[in-house]
Amino acid sequence: EVQLVESGGDLVQPGGSLRLSCAAFEFTVSDNDMTWVRQAPGKGLEWVSIIHTGGYTYYADSVKGRFTISRDDSKNTLYLQMNTLRTEDTAVYYCARKGYSYGYEDAFDIWGQGTMVTVSS
Amino acid sequence: SSELTQPPSVSVSPGQTARITCFGDALAKQYAYWYQQKPGQAPVFIMYKDTERPSGISERFSGSSSGTTVTLTISGVEAEDEADYYCQSSGSSGFSVVFGGGTKLTVL
Repeated sequence: EVQLVESGGDLVQPGGSLRLSCAAFEFTVSDNDMTWVRQAPGKGLEWVSIIHTGGYTYYADSVKGRFTISRDDSKNTLYLQMNTLRTEDTAVYYCARKGYSYGYEDAFDIWGQGTMVTVSS
Repeated sequence: SSELTQPPSVSVSPGQTARITCFGDALAKQYAYWYQQKPGQAPVFIMYKDTERPSGISERFSGSSSGTTVTLTISGVEAEDEADYYCQSSGSSGFSVVFGGGTKLTVL
């Protein structure tokens, strides 16, 4: 079954760091644009970052300089390294696949179940 | 501007038609995509390229586009359609991504 499984969410103090992982099954991460999207408690979806097949990366202004998106092709896994965390980074973090290769253009057709990050002292 | 604006809420009775709009300058040049999210669940992709429905999504869902506004229409609304709906497009640079604020659909 095609799926994404996130892990790594935790409770962390402000200023701390955390790395999220997103393991892909039944498709190859490096063949697809992959993204991270977050959702603060009771709020809407907020795009965080994207990595294109060619390795180009882009970030929302709210995380630029603090977060780094990457992938490990040997592990078929996407990552989000989060540094200098703030209380406003508290959210469920989802990874998702862009469905361009499947005819869906810029739609994100496969989503993980999400992992919770709580930034609090 | 790369913002997408949605009404916070829409309410309809079962069997009626619900229309959820999404407005943004970017939509004049970029496609819109729609997601359905139920409480405690991940978003589900329900519409792409303004009007195309992926396989497995009910025919009661349809999309339309006019200028800087796209509309998700749900015909014959059922209780199970109660959820949050988000539109999405590309940012002004074409490289980033933007989501609308979301619309809570309530089935009365």
